[in-house]
Formats: sequence, structure tokens, C-alpha cells
Amino acid sequence: DQQVKQNSPSLSVQEGRISILNCDYTNSMFDYFLWYKKYPAEGPTFLISISSIKDKNEDGRFTVFLNKSAKHLSLHIVPSQPGDSAVYFCAAAIQGAQKLVFGQGTRLTINP
Amino acid sequence: SQTIHQWPATLVQPVGSPLSLECTVEGTSNPNLYWYRQAAGRGLQLLFYSVGIGQISSEVPQNLSASRPQDRQFILSSKKLLLSDSGFYLCAWSDRGLEAFFGQGTRLTVV
Repeated sequence: DQQVKQNSPSLSVQEGRISILNCDYTNSMFDYFLWYKKYPAEGPTFLISISSIKDKNEDGRFTVFLNKSAKHLSLHIVPSQPGDSAVYFCAAAIQGAQKLVFGQGTRLTINP
Repeated sequence: SQTIHQWPATLVQPVGSPLSLECTVEGTSNPNLYWYRQAAGRGLQLLFYSVGIGQISSEVPQNLSASRPQDRQFILSSKKLLLSDSGFYLCAWSDRGLEAFFGQGTRLTVV
């Protein structure tokens, strides 16, 4: 049972434009959400998170939006840069449960 | 600052051979520790996590086991590897919070 889903395996965006990565979840108990970025042959690195009491969190070029009624979150990167090319994972957690559930990942390619 | 060490970076093992991957964390005490696997073209699957010495929770029944002999040491093992055990194995820690911090990973190829 895939509780966290990233339905787009890949996304290609032109440099300078906005990248929008999407993530859906099924477990209504999730109350904390995170995005990670992963380069090949490296471990994922934490990007940004959002608690379910908020609907938006912004950090520089990265903004995460949460729509609880739709059980959907998205990561916006603007403007997109070549160094943003990587696999992006969304993750969800129930605070206090001590573990994260990850989606399948979306490979983002930024074209010059 | 906290650091996480995971080794080896790559490993090629024959089917039926044993496995031992080690992970250590520095700069923190009593962290939560995790083993994840990323199979080819798939997401990050949580295999085991530990909230303390000797405490192991298994998420997926499989050919692998985990141990935590010391506070900041987490070991992933197998007695006999299968072809399906190939993948990218990641160790991670969290400081009782929700953000997990990952090691560099081990690429395991079972041949």
C-alpha cells in the first residue's frame, strides 16, 4: 500500500522557469511533510518541510504548499537552476511515530 | 556538528554470501537510526529503525536483519544474499525530530 505517491516519474523544465513537483498521500493521520533532494550515488538531503497546521512554507527559491482536503502537497522551485537537476522525494510522517514514509521520487531535469 | 558515516560505498557480493553494512553517527546522543533501500527505479523503502540500543523495528519482512550494538552504531546484515537484495542502501539518523539526515549510501550488487 503506497501511502505517499509521486505520480510523475520525471519532469523537464527550462532554466529560469518554475518547477512544480507534486505529491499525494492517502493517510489522513500524516501531519508533517518533507521534501528531499537526491543526486546520483549520494544520500538524500533535506530541503524543506511543512506542518499540517500551515498551508505554505517558503525558503528562498523553494516553497511547499499543502492542501489537506485534497491530501496533496507540491514543491515549487523558482527560478529553476541547472543545479536543481536531481531526484526529489516527498515524505510524510505522523509526529511522534519516529519514521518517515517516502514517495517514489520525481526526476527533475533543468534544461539550459 | 553531527556527521554520519556509512561504508563501504560500493559492494559486489555473490549470491549466498553474507552481508554486513555499518553506519555510525557522530556528534549526537541517542539518535533514532534508520536503514532504507532504494531499488532501481523505485522510492525509498524503510527497512529497519531503532530508537535505542538493542531496539529494532522491522518494517518489511525479508532476508535482512539489523542490530544496534552501541548508541551510535547501526548494522545491516544478511546470512545469505539473494539477487533481489541488490540496491542502494541508505543509513539515516534523526534527533527525535522528523527531519532525517542520510549517509552517502552503499551500492550493493548481488551477482
